Amino acid sequence: DSGVTQTPKHLITATGQRVTLRCSPRSGDLSVYWYQQSLDQGLQFLIQYYNGEERAKGNILERFSAQQFPDLHSELNLSSLELGDSALYFCASSVGRGGTGGTDTQYFGPGTRLTVL
Amino acid sequence: AQSVAQPEDQVNVAEGNPLTVKCTYSVSGNPYLFWYVQYPNRGLQFLLKYITGDNLVKGSYGFEAEFNKSQTSFHLKKPSALVSDSALYFCAVRGIPGGYNKLIFGAGTRLAVHP
Repeated sequence: DSGVTQTPKHLITATGQRVTLRCSPRSGDLSVYWYQQSLDQGLQFLIQYYNGEERAKGNILERFSAQQFPDLHSELNLSSLELGDSALYFCASSVGRGGTGGTDTQYFGPGTRLTVL
Repeated sequence: AQSVAQPEDQVNVAEGNPLTVKCTYSVSGNPYLFWYVQYPNRGLQFLLKYITGDNLVKGSYGFEAEFNKSQTSFHLKKPSALVSDSALYFCAVRGIPGGYNKLIFGAGTRLAVHP
């Protein structure tokens, strides 16, 4: 158990809908990362938040957004869902913000499996 | 651009034999390299990382990895494989440009350990 929790474990929804995925980082970690794992794209970095502020952005679609709250939990919002958004979404956390020289280990949650029908 | 390659989709090994899962990398600057393992219906578990120092890095569950700068490789090894080691293994490099901490993952290698 990494100490990172994600809810829900599974989510089944229809195209065009909107969903929210939730992540609680390990105690003491200030950074939260979101990754998407799909069969065709593999594991892709989406976005990072550090202490409530967006820190880095990856291949995140405009239909997707995230935020980190004062209690450091994070939510990933996916809207106007398409079949291709079906994937496993992971949250990870680390202590620091990852600046140059940062060597933080990222610890991953169990993931949320999203199925879009 | 930072990248990692895992040249083998699958590695098969008999229980008790040594195992190697290969990873090569391409980075500008010093590489920060990681290995993670994913069991079915589970998240990624951290195994080990190379930041600097000794080229042989020891990690969890008896795994180790050898960093080779001249060959730009970071192969994962274990002296004696267990059936319970069967899983999906990912090599990752930290995305240095911009100084951010995002991980860039390889495609993964499925390890099958046979009794």
